[in-house]
Amino acid sequence: AQTVTQSQPEMSVQEAETVTLSCTYDTSENNYYLFWYKQPPSRQMILVIRQEAYKQQNATENRFSVNFQKAAKSFSLKISDSQLGDTAMYFCASSPYNQGGKLIFGQGTELSVKP
Amino acid sequence: GAGVSQSPRYKVTKRGQDVALRCDPISGHVSLYWYRQALGQGPEFLTYFNYEAQQDKSGLPNDRFSAERPEGSISTLTIQRTEQRDSAMYRCASSLIQGDGYTFGSGTRLTVV
Repeated sequence: AQTVTQSQPEMSVQEAETVTLSCTYDTSENNYYLFWYKQPPSRQMILVIRQEAYKQQNATENRFSVNFQKAAKSFSLKISDSQLGDTAMYFCASSPYNQGGKLIFGQGTELSVKP
Repeated sequence: GAGVSQSPRYKVTKRGQDVALRCDPISGHVSLYWYRQALGQGPEFLTYFNYEAQQDKSGLPNDRFSAERPEGSISTLTIQRTEQRDSAMYRCASSLIQGDGYTFGSGTRLTVV
């Protein structure tokens, strides 16, 4: 079975600093997508960033970037210039190509940005 | 509509009652997914549809859970004879194509008392 592991249940960072959230996954597939989702206190699920496994270049979206290490099956999220609005639960997820697009989520990392 | 709409937002039901949760995906989105999220956990896959066809129901916990999407648009997740352990947030998501990014609804918070 596919699994996604987020080993940091909670993290905190000072406003304007940089923080990295870890994610590892276990898959026998060669083709898949990887995602980071943000869940603020409102409990919405908001897509932060997406990576296709066949692309070697790391995805970036403004202050958010990933470090994708395919051989190590690692997909960490870096948040630069942290803002108070970044306070949320962050979920890493994988989606193998051959499973119809279903997402397999990790347990989440609760991030607190402190003023 | 502009987003994925789920109703009701909150549902409190007595143990043993049946409940129906509704999801109205983004117009034109082919794929529709149902997830269940317990407090403090990541969402868990339940089932998904392409158009009106249910493609994978491997995540449905038992035969009390069923889902349909008869016209390839609105979907209903039905839980029969609810139990307290069914209490959770039930989320629906839709996508235009696989892997393109999924838009989630606000969820239905189900509480079984």
